Amino acid sequence: DAKTTQPTSMDCAEGRAANLPCNHSTISGNEYVYWYRQIHSQGPQYIIHGLKNNETNEMASLIITEDRKSSTLILPHATLRDTAVYYCIVRVGGAAGNKLTFGGGTRVLVKP
Amino acid sequence: AAGVIQSPRHLIKEKRETATLKCYPIPRHDTVYWYQQGPGQDPQFLISFYEKMQSDKGSIPDRFSAQQFSDYHSELNMSSLELGDSALYFCASSPGGGWNTGELFFGEGSRLTVL
Repeated sequence: DAKTTQPTSMDCAEGRAANLPCNHSTISGNEYVYWYRQIHSQGPQYIIHGLKNNETNEMASLIITEDRKSSTLILPHATLRDTAVYYCIVRVGGAAGNKLTFGGGTRVLVKP
Repeated sequence: AAGVIQSPRHLIKEKRETATLKCYPIPRHDTVYWYQQGPGQDPQFLISFYEKMQSDKGSIPDRFSAQQFSDYHSELNMSSLELGDSALYFCASSPGGGWNTGELFFGEGSRLTVL
């Protein structure tokens, strides 16, 4: 699976949009971009994923550049409960049971 | 909605003892994953099962074994426990059906402390 690079940490203001970048310059054509987050000591939580088109759901938006070498997760209106470690993961879609590898996430602190 | 159930939530063992963690996936989910998370570390993938067969394997010690049963629940068995095995153990499930979208649903974890 392709390697990803994320900022170690970032702060954002409550009520403002949080833009979390991720670089995945070695991504392959059949690899998806996934975002998960982990609130302290809780199980990781799926946020969103995409292949090449931008995606939006009730939690966030995912913007993938045209060359697919980077992406941005957007939390439109950050709340204090969004404080967590956010993981950008690149993984081949397909066979059930394929592992998701967590590492090098961004620690996001939402401040009042 | 039903979630992934893990038991026990907390477990304290002595060195060289054995521990068993259980995971009950969301109904109709046929794929189970196990992760280990040490203090201050990222979750590390251990092993996964699809339709009761091992699907993928990560950095799982030889002292650990796991299986998925006919009702799709899974158990992680850990023997000859070491201090370094103290960690949060997460189980996750997903609907496989031969194609996995990558959306895993995680349980609340089992915290193992080895003294």
